[in-house]
This record gives sequence, C-alpha cells and structure tokens, in this order.
Amino acid sequence: GAGVSQSPRYKVAKRGQDVALRCDPISGHVSLFWYQQALGQGPEFLTYFQNEAQLDKSGLPSDRFFAERPEGSVSTLKIQRTQQEDSAVYLCASSLSWVAGGPGELFFGEGSRLTVL
Amino acid sequence: AQSVAQPEDQVNVAEGNPLTVKCTYSVSGNPYLFWYVQYPNRGLQFLLKYITGDNLVKGSYGFEAEFNKSQTSFHLKKPSALVSDSALYFCAVDPRNTGFQKLVFGTGTRLLVSP
Repeated sequence: GAGVSQSPRYKVAKRGQDVALRCDPISGHVSLFWYQQALGQGPEFLTYFQNEAQLDKSGLPSDRFFAERPEGSVSTLKIQRTQQEDSAVYLCASSLSWVAGGPGELFFGEGSRLTVL
Repeated sequence: AQSVAQPEDQVNVAEGNPLTVKCTYSVSGNPYLFWYVQYPNRGLQFLLKYITGDNLVKGSYGFEAEFNKSQTSFHLKKPSALVSDSALYFCAVDPRNTGFQKLVFGTGTRLLVSP
C-alpha cells in the first residue's frame, strides 16, 4: 500500500528482552518521526530523522532506546533490556518537510503495540 | 513548559447536532496548530491545520476549527455530527522552535455520536 507500514503490530516481550520495531515510510518522505503513546495519553515525541540524519533524539526516554534510518528510508526503533514502563504503542510517522501553505501533514502508521511482562 | 489541554475526556452528541471539541494550548510565539483523528485500529489521520491568516480553517470530512489567539484556543467544530464521526480526536501544536515539525499532542477527546 501507499501508507506508512509498521511491524510487528503486536509484540509481547519478557522484561529484559531486546525488541526491534520497524517502520516503512511513504516513499519520498524525507521526514520520519517516532512517537510513544501510553494508554490513555496522547503521542509523545521520541526522535526525528531527516533522510538518514537523526536530527533530534531528545524524546528518547533512556539510553536503552536507539533509532536508526541508515539509508534514509526504513527506520528501526530498538529497545534494549525492556522494562514494564516501556509498554506502549510506538507510532511512526512520515511527511514531506514543506508543502504549499505550510508544513506537510504527518502520515502515521497503525503503530506497534509493545507489552512488556 | 509547552502543553496542550483537551479538557473533556469524552463528548457526547446526537447525530445531526453541532459538535465542539475543545483545545487550549500553552506555547509562546506563533505556533502551528493541528487536529488529528484516530479511528479504532487505524493510524492517526490529519484533519486540518492553522498556519496563518483566517482564524476559521476548514478541513476533511466537514470539520472546521476556530483559532483564537487571545484565548490560546483551537476548538474543533462540525455543524452536523454523523455517527461515523465517533472516534478519538487529538489537538497538536508545533511550537516552531526546532526547525522541524515537533508536535506536542493533547491527551485526546473521545467523541461519541449517537443515532
């Protein structure tokens, strides 16, 4: 399809395990974002890529979180030694940087729901 | 600190009646403002945005939003609600202090439209 694709849709991990979440953005979108959405909350910014460059990672909760986008397309969010507080939906979004009339809208994937037991 | 408030967890409205979903923000300067909608098992979808100009902006599915700078509000409105409008609505702000679209989201308002 032409939308943002995320996998896996659901992931159950035991505390201490490492997980990797994948995002396929819309082709041609230079901007890619990761957000974390806890239950009953709004999405919270994690990190931003412009092509392959990670320009902002100020939202990553700890050094256990790592994101990459090596070829400026697919991105992976990795969480090492998962903790229960990492349980959330991880949303990926992509966009054109700018369109006529202002900033391009964000196109979100359906998210990866992580449950840490 | 930058923040977005959606004071109502849920808004109930009968089909055909007008609806309003409230949003206020605490951000300095001239932020960009957005509304996104989340349907069950679907990703967030863009509804509309305020950049500059006319305080009333129109978006997808007949929705519109009114920007009020003095009240720092950006309420979402629709003249006649449909049952299919039932979903979770998020207000978001781009403070424009980073060089990219770093959105701050509210906690969301669930809209329930009854037949």
